Amino acid sequence: GAGVSQSPRYKVTKRGQDVALRCDPISGHVSLYWYRQALGQGPEFLTYFNYEAQQDKSGLPNDRFSAERPEGSISTLTIQRTEQRDSAMYRCASSLKLAGKAKNIQYFGAGTRLSVL
Amino acid sequence: GEDVEQSLFLSVREGDSSVINCTYTDSSSTYLYWYKQEPGAGLQLLTYIFSNMDMKQDQRLTVLLNKKDKHLSLRIADTQTGDSAIYFCAGYNTDKLIFGTGTRLQVFP
Repeated sequence: GAGVSQSPRYKVTKRGQDVALRCDPISGHVSLYWYRQALGQGPEFLTYFNYEAQQDKSGLPNDRFSAERPEGSISTLTIQRTEQRDSAMYRCASSLKLAGKAKNIQYFGAGTRLSVL
Repeated sequence: GEDVEQSLFLSVREGDSSVINCTYTDSSSTYLYWYKQEPGAGLQLLTYIFSNMDMKQDQRLTVLLNKKDKHLSLRIADTQTGDSAIYFCAGYNTDKLIFGTGTRLQVFP
């Protein structure tokens, strides 16, 4: 596609429910990243994939958070048993070059705003 | 780990120059980036600079890098109302971007 596409744009859920956030990267981009952005803050790294392999999940806050990219394209970030503190903007980015290479340009989607009531 | 700091607000008159400042702690970042965030939109990459450069100019944008002081700045010439947004600087650490807290630029007529 023309850009990184995320869905849904907005998600309101009740505490304790599971949510799945989807990211469709730019066609041909090999690396995919997830970030979380709290209100008034910059994005913070969660995890990333090179192709279908999850390379670094050090930014995931706890084991309720998981991500997958089974075919090396679309990725899903899943949050189980959501809590109010999970409310934030979740941003996905993709890059043409492998993460770790010099001049790695990451292109971001519009994000999914998650509100947990 | 990397820490990136920015001032929170900047207000300028239309037509003036804007200078947004950023300081970082990790000198190993090979590239440093500036992103723009507008309401309802994603983060838009504005420009970037390689760590062995001092300056990069791209139309109305000028990036200055002082590696000794670990200071990065973005100058926007002839600032327009459409430049009103939040600007983030980011360092690249191994495999992830480390963002600052963002500077909200407000341009008034």
